[in-house]
Amino acid sequence: QKEVEQNSGPLSVPEGAIASLNCTYSDRGSQSFFWYRQYSGKSPELIMFIYSNGDKEDGRFTAQLNKASQYVSLLIRDSQPSDSATYLCAVNRLNAGNMLTFGGGTRLMVKP
Amino acid sequence: DADVTQTPRNRITKTGKRIMLECSQTKGHDRMYWYRQDPGLGLRLIYYSFDVKDINKGEISDGYSVSRQAQAKFSLSLESAIPNQTALYFCATIESNTGELFFGEGSRLTVL
Repeated sequence: QKEVEQNSGPLSVPEGAIASLNCTYSDRGSQSFFWYRQYSGKSPELIMFIYSNGDKEDGRFTAQLNKASQYVSLLIRDSQPSDSATYLCAVNRLNAGNMLTFGGGTRLMVKP
Repeated sequence: DADVTQTPRNRITKTGKRIMLECSQTKGHDRMYWYRQDPGLGLRLIYYSFDVKDINKGEISDGYSVSRQAQAKFSLSLESAIPNQTALYFCATIESNTGELFFGEGSRLTVL
């Protein structure tokens, strides 16, 4: 089992819809969780991070964390074509020297 | 100018050649990282450094070496490049308070 797993996609949603991106992790000692967006050929950029169980909202983005189920998700409301990118989930593993471990990424396509 | 700068941005080389990828940062962060990205595999950690005297292997360090010349500079070397080291390489620094990674623009390496 990979330490951080994501469905590679592509996930295709129509413009204006809600895109739901999911991530599971194996290390129960994980402390913090990050979502990065990466456009093709570019470097990843941080969208959000979340530390506590529950929801965290930032504009059109909502991160959801459930440590009991070892699950973190990212919701994108009112999806736009400019949201089309690969979304990387990353987990800060306390038991691994606070290193970030990345999932393989989910490619999101928002169709006009 | 970018906060994290990588050179070269693109490099094509032959099997057996020595290659150095350089990274410099102006963010003043102590911790620096080298990641490798392959399609569908996300970002995998090669080496990381917490300060000039502290170098650590990541999950895929075989075939690579690093040098931390100063707080702001962290170089990655391939002593004898092989084709399966063809990948996109990212240098990153980390904001210790939040755990956010700041990436360079990437160095695309092709080994023929």
